[in-house]
Amino acid sequence: DAGVIQSPRHEVTEMGQEVTLRCKPISGHNSLFWYRQTMMRGLELLIYFNNNVPIDDSGMPEDRFSAKMPNASFSTLKIQPSEPRDSAVYFCASTYGQGDAETQYFGPGTRLLVL
Amino acid sequence: AQSVAQPEDQVNVAEGNPLTVKCTYSVSGNPYLFWYVQYPNRGLQFLLKYITGDNLVKGSYGFEAEFNKSQTSFHLKKPSALVSDSALYFCAVRDPPSGNTPLVFGKGTRLSVIA
Repeated sequence: DAGVIQSPRHEVTEMGQEVTLRCKPISGHNSLFWYRQTMMRGLELLIYFNNNVPIDDSGMPEDRFSAKMPNASFSTLKIQPSEPRDSAVYFCASTYGQGDAETQYFGPGTRLLVL
Repeated sequence: AQSVAQPEDQVNVAEGNPLTVKCTYSVSGNPYLFWYVQYPNRGLQFLLKYITGDNLVKGSYGFEAEFNKSQTSFHLKKPSALVSDSALYFCAVRDPPSGNTPLVFGKGTRLSVIA
């Protein structure tokens, strides 16, 4: 299994530009989570999906952030317009949840720098 | 609300010595507890989890953790530390322990193993 795949691995952009981060979960997994990691705030949950449906987006910092999961094998996190304070590492994780003991598996992350 | 605390930002240990990374939790019911490790410029990797049963859980890379209900702790341990164990360690909890609910992560503890 290839694991959770994220692209791009690195992104450098200028303030005001649109940024799109992509995630392919592990095949067969039915839940997907987007996290953001910064030195100041640690690991924060942004949004998560169950069976492609957004369940909780309360962690999304503001309307500039949006996430979609059009099918079971693909999700995007979009920032429009981007700001320097959005600079962080963004992780996607997936899990298969039919029991109580689900383990989340993380992708390698996208390191975003907004200038 | 569920939460975890990692009281130490940094732990230093000499190679060959035992190591402990501390974690305490707060949940309303019976917790499901996880440990993850993050190496530089990598995503989080699953180490081990406690769901039920034996309080001593063994995981990857020789790590183990002991669930202590009375002390609400789930400390990570290894009998003999390696320099390659140097990384950022995260404790996480899920409550209620069912379904595809997100994990709640601690802020992380940076482990440095000195040769």
